[in-house]
Amino acid sequence: DTGVSQDPRHKITKRGQNVTFRCDPISEHNRLYWYRQTLGQGPEFLTYFQNEAQLEKSRLLSDRFSAERPKGSFSTLEIQRTEQGDSAMYLCASSGQSSNTIYFGEGSWLTVV
Amino acid sequence: DAKTTQPPSMDCAEGRAANLPCNHSTISGNEYVYWYRQIHSQGPQYIIHGLKNNETNEMASLIITEDRKSSTLILPHATLRDTAVYYCIVTEIYKYIFGTGTRLKVLA
Repeated sequence: DTGVSQDPRHKITKRGQNVTFRCDPISEHNRLYWYRQTLGQGPEFLTYFQNEAQLEKSRLLSDRFSAERPKGSFSTLEIQRTEQGDSAMYLCASSGQSSNTIYFGEGSWLTVV
Repeated sequence: DAKTTQPPSMDCAEGRAANLPCNHSTISGNEYVYWYRQIHSQGPQYIIHGLKNNETNEMASLIITEDRKSSTLILPHATLRDTAVYYCIVTEIYKYIFGTGTRLKVLA
């Protein structure tokens, strides 16, 4: 039984560089979510996909952030021109059509130096 | 803002029951109560959820008051591996709003 898989688990990048994170959801799940978590805080919702359609985006998702799910399976989250404030753990999660129970991956840690 | 209030921290002796409270006085009729936990540096792990009735699974029990304004997560025999931050969330849709949770420390 494979859970939600995220890659890379850790990324250190210089300010101004672009980074991309990948998420592979649980195979039968058609809903996919991205959350962000900073130290000492709970996760914050960023965006939601149902199949390939991005149905909701948080105001936290600035213009430098873009998420895609081209074939309704895996998803990518790209951050352009990274800033130190982007340092956080980026969590992907998925759920099935008939349930609001979401299952999280292990997260991708981003450090911007 | 999160619709739940939890104590910031709690201690529990190993082998004893850990009872983690959560207040959600503004919960609406269609909202479920979900519990997740997060062990250091890992993603949140689903524990249990419920609407009105008490629920039990292999990990924990969830007790929801009759007026649904509060709930308690019970870990019946806490172990050191249960040390984590526990989040209580109320939601009727996919979008979870996390608070800062309760940091549970299980003591040997």
